[in-house]
Amino acid sequence: SQTIHQWPATLVQPVGSPLSLECTVEGTSNPNLYWYRQAAGRGLQLLFYSVGIGQISSEVPQNLSASRPQDRQFILSSKKLLLSDSGFYLCAWAQGYNSPLHFGNGTRLTVT
Amino acid sequence: EDKVVQSPLSLVVHEGDTVTLNCSYEVTNFRSLLWYKQEKKAPTFLFMLTSSGIEKKSGRLSSILDKKELFSILNITATQTGDSAVYLCAVGGGNKLTFGTGTQLKVEL
Repeated sequence: SQTIHQWPATLVQPVGSPLSLECTVEGTSNPNLYWYRQAAGRGLQLLFYSVGIGQISSEVPQNLSASRPQDRQFILSSKKLLLSDSGFYLCAWAQGYNSPLHFGNGTRLTVT
Repeated sequence: EDKVVQSPLSLVVHEGDTVTLNCSYEVTNFRSLLWYKQEKKAPTFLFMLTSSGIEKKSGRLSSILDKKELFSILNITATQTGDSAVYLCAVGGGNKLTFGTGTQLKVEL
């Protein structure tokens, strides 16, 4: 069966510091991969998605970037964090174009 | 801009009650409507609906879609404390899902 791992679970970082969140999927090949952010009182916001290695689509222009160096690995990065980057970040995968998303356990990021 | 609105925002019920959660939407590219349950961390998948009028059922949970009126409902019968969670509705297609803000359900003894 497929599993998705996301780490770290929580992170407190100062403004201006870099960020790297990692997500890996097991038990499947060539999944579609997603990064979402969930802010309090707001729906999940799609940040990036990827349909293959090195293929990244950005949905919201912002202080973040994503990379997919391997088939089942998805990384969310920032060079310099802003206070507004605080939130709950969720990685997800789907098998195919119109399949349900399956989410990781998320990373609670607090920028101080 | 795509929009998904869920109601109510929150509700509190007693164990054994039946609840109905609502999701209405306006999206430019509809392929499916999905329901998720979110407790502490990861939203977990409940249902995916693509056709009007066909009920999907899993235990005490069921859901139906009305593509003409652009809404869906999620029913939970004989609620239990373990049903306490935020229920999320998402609509769209392909790689782009728009999520609602969720309905927070609390089931008390």
